[in-house]
Amino acid sequence: ETGVTQTPRHLVMGMTNKKSLKCEQHLGHNAMYWYKQSAKKPLELMFVYSLEERVENNSVPSRFSPECPNSSHLFLHLHTLQPEDSALYLCASSQDSYYGYTFGSGTRLTVV
Amino acid sequence: LAKTTQPISMDSYEGQEVNITCSHNNIATNDYITWYQQLPSQGPRFIIQGYKTKVTNEVASLFIPADRKSSTLSLPRVSLSDTAVYYCLVGGMDSNYQLIWGAGTKLIIKP
Repeated sequence: ETGVTQTPRHLVMGMTNKKSLKCEQHLGHNAMYWYKQSAKKPLELMFVYSLEERVENNSVPSRFSPECPNSSHLFLHLHTLQPEDSALYLCASSQDSYYGYTFGSGTRLTVV
Repeated sequence: LAKTTQPISMDSYEGQEVNITCSHNNIATNDYITWYQQLPSQGPRFIIQGYKTKVTNEVASLFIPADRKSSTLSLPRVSLSDTAVYYCLVGGMDSNYQLIWGAGTKLIIKP
């Protein structure tokens, strides 16, 4: 375990389903992130929360909805996804913006 | 934001020292250089971070020349478990949380 825990590890969902990804960190970090990693593509930053406020969203489609109820928890709510949204979704945390990230193991999402 | 350039892939053998170089010509004064390792089916793992000269920890060394336009990650005596993708990132206080991830370097260690 890295200190950042993601659940579930694997998720298969239909295009009409609603599901949520969960991330939890116990490192005392003040920033949390959602990244998307598609096959053979670089990591793409989706959302950033600093001190529980959203800083960046990088024009992510509205079918992805983040939630950060406190500094230790981060959620990614999913609804009406498309097959091209199938990817590894990674959560990370850091202390401020330029120190090293600590990543979770990711959720492998398959949309059918 | 500083862009980085790395070799797409490298091969080496167990017990060898491996050096992976990253080019970052437009690095800013406040930027740090950070390297990550991503094993299959896992999230990236922080390896080492530096600003200038040389940094060493228990797993790697990072060499940064005076002009800071490149950096070299050195992995001593690699093993099969070091087979992974290695990413070089550049960013600092002015990055506002935006760091650009490239394709990384796919390192394959052979017996």
